[in-house]
Amino acid sequence: GAVVSQHPSWVICKSGTSVKIECRSLDFQATTMFWYRQFPKQSLMLMATSNEGSKATYEQGVEKDKFLINHASLTLSTLTVTSAHPEDSSFYICSATGGGFTGELFFGEGSRLTVL
Amino acid sequence: GQNIDQPTEMTATEGAIVQINCTYQTSGFNGLFWYQQHAGEAPTFLSYNVLDGLEEKGRFSSFLSRSKGYSYLLLKELQMKDSASYLCAVMDSNYQLIWGAGTKLIIKP
Repeated sequence: GAVVSQHPSWVICKSGTSVKIECRSLDFQATTMFWYRQFPKQSLMLMATSNEGSKATYEQGVEKDKFLINHASLTLSTLTVTSAHPEDSSFYICSATGGGFTGELFFGEGSRLTVL
Repeated sequence: GQNIDQPTEMTATEGAIVQINCTYQTSGFNGLFWYQQHAGEAPTFLSYNVLDGLEEKGRFSSFLSRSKGYSYLLLKELQMKDSASYLCAVMDSNYQLIWGAGTKLIIKP
């Protein structure tokens, strides 16, 4: 099946710094990518939807100036957590679809962010 | 509002059968998904139902009744590796996925 790669898998940073997470579709063109956040023992929460070449659509309550999403190409989307704080510590997961609804999202491996 | 309900936790015995239910109330319906998620990992796709009825895929089957807003995931011949969280998600009229909180399935020998 299609492969989505996410990097880094683990990141630890100091409070106030920025962290960039990359999501790549390795063998298909991802017209739409989704970014989720998952706190321990909770379900996935959609943060934003990004379409290649356009601005991301953020879910209510998600600060677009804090969580910068760039989807500059059909195979790469990035999420930058700016001025990270301990409450931003979470599991961030991206998923991608190749357009033309197939009934399946392809998920990255996830990135666990710990802000000290 | 939009709502997905599924049990928080279930326990079953290795080799047995377990049924995980999911009820939903959403603005529109464009399909229901089941995902499996092991602790610390991203979800993996199990099934997709958009029409009423049962979809069978190996040891896993998924059922949908749109009129009742109800689905279930049936797992047969349970194995220890099936211990995971099972997430129900519905795609609404805007093609947005609404996620349930997940059901933690514990398999005992």
